[in-house]
Amino acid sequence: AQRVTQPEKLLSVFKGAPVELKCNYSYSGSPELFWYVQYSRQRLQLLLRHISRESIKGFTADLNKGETSFHLKKPFAQEEDSAMYYCALSEYDSWGKLQFGAGTQVVVTP
Amino acid sequence: ETGVTQSPTHLIKTRGQQVTLRCSSQSGHNTVSWYQQALGQGPQFIFQYYREEENGRGNFPPRFSGLQFPNYSSELNVNALELDDSALYLCASSGYSGPAPSTDTQYFGPGTRLTVL
Repeated sequence: AQRVTQPEKLLSVFKGAPVELKCNYSYSGSPELFWYVQYSRQRLQLLLRHISRESIKGFTADLNKGETSFHLKKPFAQEEDSAMYYCALSEYDSWGKLQFGAGTQVVVTP
Repeated sequence: ETGVTQSPTHLIKTRGQQVTLRCSSQSGHNTVSWYQQALGQGPQFIFQYYREEENGRGNFPPRFSGLQFPNYSSELNVNALELDDSALYLCASSGYSGPAPSTDTQYFGPGTRLTVL
């Protein structure tokens, strides 16, 4: 069963505008949630994980257990934010076995 | 500190053949996970190796098998290749020399692009 859903395949925003990437998950336990990013011609890399509660490159994500969501937000998009973003989930007792969503391509235009 | 490397970069095989993909984990990491990423999809978990033992498997048939070596490098073997096996295969390493599989960040390799004709 698909655990992670990213409803938007493509998100096009203007530089300086806010951006929000949606991620919903299906899991009754306590998940660990991640956002991974892949810039053009680079490898997949971790952007942030909910357990760290960090803000990376201006991005934040809040785990909402009631809505089973982990949306990624940035108040002011930059051109260098153009990339493919994947939401991923790791189940309790299955650490490191990531289940990815299909990804959202973000294009930031000047 | 060297990152995760994978070989080969690209591979073309025909249906029914067998293939071996290789992954060298990042220095100090003892856990390797393999993922299959079909075009337009997110990566799908195949299996994970921790200290040379399989430590969990995704929804893949037994013709997908793996190994991990004492230096923590790993191989992914796929027998009886099918057209649907065409994908980017990613490996990721994590962990340190602790007693249990790590919850640490996974570091991904660049992938091997497999095309099955």
